[in-house]
Order: sequence, then structure tokens, then C-alpha cells
Amino acid sequence: QVHLVQSGAEVKKPGASVRISCEASGYNFINYYIHWVRRAPGQGLEWVGIINPGGGSPKYAQKFQGRVTMTSDASTSTVYMEMNSLTSDDTAVYYCARWVYYFDFWGQGTLVTVSS
Amino acid sequence: NFVLTQPHSVSESPGKTVTISCSRSSGSIASVYVQWYQHRPGSSPTTVIYEDKQRPSGVPDRFSGSIDTSSNSASLTISRLKTEDEADYYCQSTDRGNRIFGGGTRLTVL
Repeated sequence: QVHLVQSGAEVKKPGASVRISCEASGYNFINYYIHWVRRAPGQGLEWVGIINPGGGSPKYAQKFQGRVTMTSDASTSTVYMEMNSLTSDDTAVYYCARWVYYFDFWGQGTLVTVSS
Repeated sequence: NFVLTQPHSVSESPGKTVTISCSRSSGSIASVYVQWYQHRPGSSPTTVIYEDKQRPSGVPDRFSGSIDTSSNSASLTISRLKTEDEADYYCQSTDRGNRIFGGGTRLTVL
């Protein structure tokens, strides 16, 4: 069965960077795109970007371009999302999700808290 | 990018039917598929409708989706409401590879 397991909660100070991992299992890792989606407190779902674990350049939402980097490691079936220059507005639960014709499997979410 | 606009909240009684709308600001609603996600507090989102009207395996047939080109909108209808349906619902479409979410609708079943 398909699983996406994310790394644990993070607490960061403003201006810092955070790196979240998403380890996939139960399917051929390189065959499915992985997206990152976040939900801030009191806000809705927000798309961050997409990576093709099989290769090619990631694509980021315009809002996050220059501040987010997505990478993948096929040897460990893991994708990573790094976000820098964090502000309190980046406090959110971050989800990785696999895309088929829709987001069919989601990670459990990683809470990132940005606070001084 | 276009914008998907949803009502902020809806409420209905158990056993009744509710419809949540998702209006697309520009371009045709029919040009790209719409998905609908349910998000309960403390859980990860799940898909209830994909490709406008398809239900993933395991989603009950109480959930249905449609699009209306005259109003340029998509709709999610939940019939025979249960208290467990109480959640936030999001429509989602795609624009040049970017995934676009609606603002979300809080469904209260009371």
C-alpha cells in the first residue's frame, strides 16, 4: 500500500530556513509527481509546488519562487522541500501529496512554526 | 491565473442535501478538470471528487460533482448528510501546471 511519511514538526525563528522530508513507499517512486501543499492557521489550502522524482525541473507557485527548493532522492524514495527567509506567515501544516489525476495519497503533514 | 471562488460557509441538517459552488473567474470551467477535497481538522485532506464528477474508490455515492458552463462554475453536492461530513471542502483546478485551490467552504451539519 502507498504511504507518504513526512518528517516531524519544526520550530524556526524568523529569517531561518526549514527542510521537510517526505518518504514514499508502496509504489514506483519515479513514476508519480509529488506536490507540496500547505494550510496556515485560519487559512485554506495553498499549493506550493511540484517535483517530478523521475527528473526535470521542479515548478513552484509564483508566490514562493526564489524562496523554496524541492529536491528528490531516488535511492531513498524521498522528496524534500526547503523554504528559506521564513516569516510568521509561513507558520502552517505542510503536506506532500502524490498526483495521479488528483491528489490520491497525502502525507500526514508537518507543522512548521515560525516564532521569535 | 484564474481564481476559484467558494462560499465561506454552508450549513444544513443531517439527512438533507447541500451543494457547494466553485466559480471560476476567467476561462472556461470546462477547459480543465475540477477536483474536490475534504479536509477535517487534524487529518490530511482526502479526495471526494476528481475529473469534475468521478468518485475515488471508497467515497460514498452521496457525494457527486458537476460543472455548469452557463455559470462557469463547478458544484459539489452531498446528499443524505451525516454529521461526519462536517469539514472544510476545497475545489481545485490547474492553470499551466499550477494547482489552484478555491478558498474553501466550511460545512456545518447541525
